[in-house]
Amino acid sequence: QKEVEQNSGPLSVPEGAIASLNCTYSDRGSQSFFWYRQYSGKSPELIMFIYSNGDKEDGRFTAQLNKASQYVSLLIRDSQPSDSATYLCAVMSPNQGGKLIFGQGTELSVKP
Amino acid sequence: GAGVSQSPRYKVAKRGQDVALRCDPISGHVSLFWYQQALGQGPEFLTYFQNEAQLDKSGLPSDRFFAERPEGSVSTLKIQRTQQEDSAVYLCASSLELGDEQYFGPGTRLTVT
Repeated sequence: QKEVEQNSGPLSVPEGAIASLNCTYSDRGSQSFFWYRQYSGKSPELIMFIYSNGDKEDGRFTAQLNKASQYVSLLIRDSQPSDSATYLCAVMSPNQGGKLIFGQGTELSVKP
Repeated sequence: GAGVSQSPRYKVAKRGQDVALRCDPISGHVSLFWYQQALGQGPEFLTYFQNEAQLDKSGLPSDRFFAERPEGSVSTLKIQRTQQEDSAVYLCASSLELGDEQYFGPGTRLTVT
């Protein structure tokens, strides 16, 4: 079992729809959770981080964390073609220092 | 302010050559991380520094890989006797303190021929 799992996709949604990206993790002691966006040929760009159970909203993005079920999700409202990218989920655990453990990423395609 | 910078952006090395990849973190960031990203995969941890101290190098794939950050700012990742399997994008990230969010540089794409 991988430490951080994401569906590789591609996930295809029409413009204006809500895109839902999911991530599960195996280390129950994980405390910090991050979503990065990576355009093709570019480096990961931090878009959201969440530490507490519940929802955290930032513009069109909402991160959701459920530690009991060990999953974290990212919702993108009013999806735009410019949101088309690979979304990486990353987890940080105190017993692993400050390093990030990444999932393989979910490719999102927003169709005009 | 300026973000994380890396150089070179692209490097082609013949098998057996040594390479050195440089990372300049965000000013004031204490923690610096190196990751390796293969095509179609998420980044994988290599090593990290807190100031000049290398606290974890468990992700370095072999003893051909060596990293340093002698003055607690710029870091260099060195790969000796490069092999084809070393071909990847090498990403550097920094954070203000250990445990904070990490910001990535543009990466160095290494191709070993």
